[in-house]
Amino acid sequence: EVQLLESGGGLVQPGGSLRLSCAASGFTFNNYAMSWVRQAPGKGLEWVSAVSGTGYTTYYADSVKGRFSISRDNAKYTLNLQMNSLRADDTAVYYCAKTYNRNPYYFDYWGQGTLVTVSS
Amino acid sequence: QTVVTQEPSFSVSPGGTVTLTCGLSSGSVSTSFYPSWYQQTPGQAPRTLIYSTDTRSSGVPDRFSGSILGNKAALTITGAQADDESNYYCVLYMGSGIWVFGGGTKLTVL
Repeated sequence: EVQLLESGGGLVQPGGSLRLSCAASGFTFNNYAMSWVRQAPGKGLEWVSAVSGTGYTTYYADSVKGRFSISRDNAKYTLNLQMNSLRADDTAVYYCAKTYNRNPYYFDYWGQGTLVTVSS
Repeated sequence: QTVVTQEPSFSVSPGGTVTLTCGLSSGSVSTSFYPSWYQQTPGQAPRTLIYSTDTRSSGVPDRFSGSILGNKAALTITGAQADDESNYYCVLYMGSGIWVFGGGTKLTVL
């Protein structure tokens, strides 16, 4: 059974940093890309970032480019998101998602999410 | 900037049929965008319904179907049930590792 468990969320001041993690199990981790998708309170889903199965290739939404960094540790079955220069509009629940970054290009499993609140 | 458009809200009667759409602010949606659809109830993680335009994810009832209608991707629910009342999101693959979600459609079953 595929399981994804996010952690690391919390309250951080504007301009601060936070590191999210996603522990994966139930599938061969390095065979799949992984993504982060976020959802601001009362708003829709927003794709944030993705990383290839090897970790060598990364992708970012314009809204986080230059501030966020995605990485993975395939030995530990862990996905990470380093978030720097955080702003109030980064406040959201952050979901990790197992991703097909090749045909058919979609997200097939989702974690339960971790809440990040950026506020002074 | 690419904007993926969805109806903000829709309502359907129990047992009825509803079609939600997913378009582009500029241009047409085709299978080359690999449209996928996700269902989400408040406080829960998204659930994958449809991928690659019309392929149902494992365990998804066949009352959910996907297609291209005109210049948009579409999600059709046939024989709507009370527990289909949710938010529905489409996402399009834009190429170069980039995905863009639509704003979501809140479906009410009443």
